[in-house]
Amino acid sequence: GEDVEQSLFLSVREGDSSVINCTYTDSSSTYLYWYKQEPGAGLQLLTYIFSNMDMKQDQRLTVLLNKKDKHLSLRIADTQTGDSAIYFCAENRAGGYNKLIFGAGTRLAVHP
Amino acid sequence: GAVVSQHPSRVICKSGTSVKIECRSLDFQATTMFWYRQFPKQSLMLMATSNEGSKATYEQGVEKDKFLINHASLTLSTLTVTSAHPEDSSFYICSARERARGHEQFFGPGTRLTVL
Repeated sequence: GEDVEQSLFLSVREGDSSVINCTYTDSSSTYLYWYKQEPGAGLQLLTYIFSNMDMKQDQRLTVLLNKKDKHLSLRIADTQTGDSAIYFCAENRAGGYNKLIFGAGTRLAVHP
Repeated sequence: GAVVSQHPSRVICKSGTSVKIECRSLDFQATTMFWYRQFPKQSLMLMATSNEGSKATYEQGVEKDKFLINHASLTLSTLTVTSAHPEDSSFYICSARERARGHEQFFGPGTRLTVL
């Protein structure tokens, strides 16, 4: 996961917005993803963005993509305690079987 | 739709034994399946990619004789950890992709392996 980098920890107050950042290295990646993992569980796909888009909004989630800087962010509006989890960004490497390269994950802690 | 299951969810075994983990796509045909390994508080590392009916493609550094992958049908892939040792203890997660659905991978809930 060293090709995709994320900050490891974020703490926010309930009701505030959370912004999780990610940088990737492969400019040929076609899709970029955000996954959520709760303790002891598998990965849940939250959202993804195609590489020719700058922004995608889905209810409380907003994804911003800066392809020039290879920077991806996930904004969660009105963060709730149920949003506490680890968030992974991943890039879909072009070619072959489209394997995913994951970042190390950002642990989001939401406090009252 | 697009549900992936894994069995067992948790397994404890003695050093030297072999353990088989199953990954099933319940409502779609998994043309490609992926096996990942996740150490505590770390990211997912891709171990291998398999297409139905073909030999798996292993990532660099993953021992193919240690981690046997079989993708015999469009709904089932198995990972066998042979002669397991304590350092093989980890969280193993599979994902599946159906060609008709495009790029998305659907993840299983994971299997926690503990080798004593």
